[in-house]
Amino acid sequence: QKEVEQNSGPLSVPEGAIASLNCTYSDRVSQSFFWYRQYSGKSPELIMSIYSNGDKEDGRFTAQLNKASQYVSLLIRDSQPSDSATYLCAVRGGGADGLTFGKGTHLIIQP
Amino acid sequence: DTGVSQDPRHKITKRGQNVTFRCDPISEHNRLYWYRQTLGQGPEFLTYFQNEAQLEKSRLLSDRFSAERPKGSFSTLEIQRTEQGDSAMYLCASSFDKTKNIQYFGAGTRLSVL
Repeated sequence: QKEVEQNSGPLSVPEGAIASLNCTYSDRVSQSFFWYRQYSGKSPELIMSIYSNGDKEDGRFTAQLNKASQYVSLLIRDSQPSDSATYLCAVRGGGADGLTFGKGTHLIIQP
Repeated sequence: DTGVSQDPRHKITKRGQNVTFRCDPISEHNRLYWYRQTLGQGPEFLTYFQNEAQLEKSRLLSDRFSAERPKGSFSTLEIQRTEQGDSAMYLCASSFDKTKNIQYFGAGTRLSVL
C-alpha cells in the first residue's frame, strides 16, 4: 500500500516569510513527485514537478527531493496572502500511472 | 477554455439512483484519469485510460462503478445504485505522455447522495 504523509496543519506563516511544506512517501520505486495547490472548493492546480534528487526552483517556489530519505519538500519564499490554500503532495511510480496524494497541508499566510 | 472540462458541476441524487459524469480532456492529451476526493482528504485514484484502453483500476472502483472512453476522446464515469458513501468530488485529469504525463485537473463534479 503506497502512502504519502503530510502534516495537515494548519501551518501559519507571516506575510513575506518562507513557508516550508514537507512530505514523506513509502514506495521506494516512486519516480515522479508533484506539488498541487488547492483552494477551498476548487480543483488541484499544479505548482511544481520534480523527478531527480536536489532542488528545482520556479519563481518563488522551490521543490526539494531526497530519494534516499523518501522526502519531498516545497518552499514558498516571500509568502503572500494569496498563497493561503491546501498544498497536496503527490507521487507516481512503481509501474502505476495514477497519482497517490497525501491529505494536504493547510497553509495560512497572515497579513 | 482549453482546459479539462467536467459536466455537470453539481449533482444531487437519491440513494439507489444511477448517475453519469462526463469529462472532456485537454485536446491532444491521450491519457485521462478519474479521482475521488472527500472532505479533508487528498484525491484518491480510481482509474485511467490511455486513448480508449482502460489500463489501471483501483480497488476503490467497486463493481457499481464503470468508466468508458469511447474513441479515446471524452470519458464517462457511471455509478450505479448510489450510496450515501459515494458523496464526494469526482475529479478528472488529463495528460500527454510526451510531456512527462503531468496531470491537469478539471473543476470536478460534486455528487451529493441523499
